[in-house]
Amino acid sequence: NAGVTQTPKFQVLKTGQSMTLQCAQDMNHNSMYWYRQDPGMGLRLIYYSASEGTTDKGEVPNGYNVSRLNKREFSLRLESAAPSQTSVYFCASSERQPQHFGDGTRLSIL
Amino acid sequence: GDSVTQMEGPVTLSEEAFLTINCTYTATGYPSLFWYVQYPGEGLQLLLKATKADDKGSNKGFEATYRKETTSFHLEKGSVQVSDSAVYFCALIPLEGETSGSRLTFGEGTQLTVNP
Repeated sequence: NAGVTQTPKFQVLKTGQSMTLQCAQDMNHNSMYWYRQDPGMGLRLIYYSASEGTTDKGEVPNGYNVSRLNKREFSLRLESAAPSQTSVYFCASSERQPQHFGDGTRLSIL
Repeated sequence: GDSVTQMEGPVTLSEEAFLTINCTYTATGYPSLFWYVQYPGEGLQLLLKATKADDKGSNKGFEATYRKETTSFHLEKGSVQVSDSAVYFCALIPLEGETSGSRLTFGEGTQLTVNP
């Protein structure tokens, strides 16, 4: 069972470059989420999608955009990467609770 | 707004020691409470949950009791193993949000290291 799959697993960018993080789930869940994880701050919600065709801002949306391409896929885009966006990014999906998480994308911006 | 506060880490224990990781929350109404675990290099996995006051969630020897009077959901295990080394996150979701699209609020996470 694949569950939630994130690509890539690691990425290094230069400041100002753009990047799209991909997420796909095979559990037929309606809701999908993007979080970032920083030391000492837990997980903070960037954007979420309650259902196909809808997206909403979370706690820290600035500098990011999302696309709910279909029910399976939810991508996160950094249009102009900044060093402050160096983090581990997690995608999750759910149908009610609990949320199921991918293994993360470790992103470094130099 | 809703918030979750966990005890500061990291926590280092010897194998077979007793574990407590404190978690307190601030929320309106009656939230559902969760503990997630993150093993090195992996995403978060649900460890246990409780949805109403006095409920006890349990899994893999871990337990946590929903205490509304103290707004707490402390995680305990009687005898930890090296394989329990991980980061533990306490989280909540509002009762009215227990549907698709509900948003979890996480604590900061507590790193646990268990030595043989």
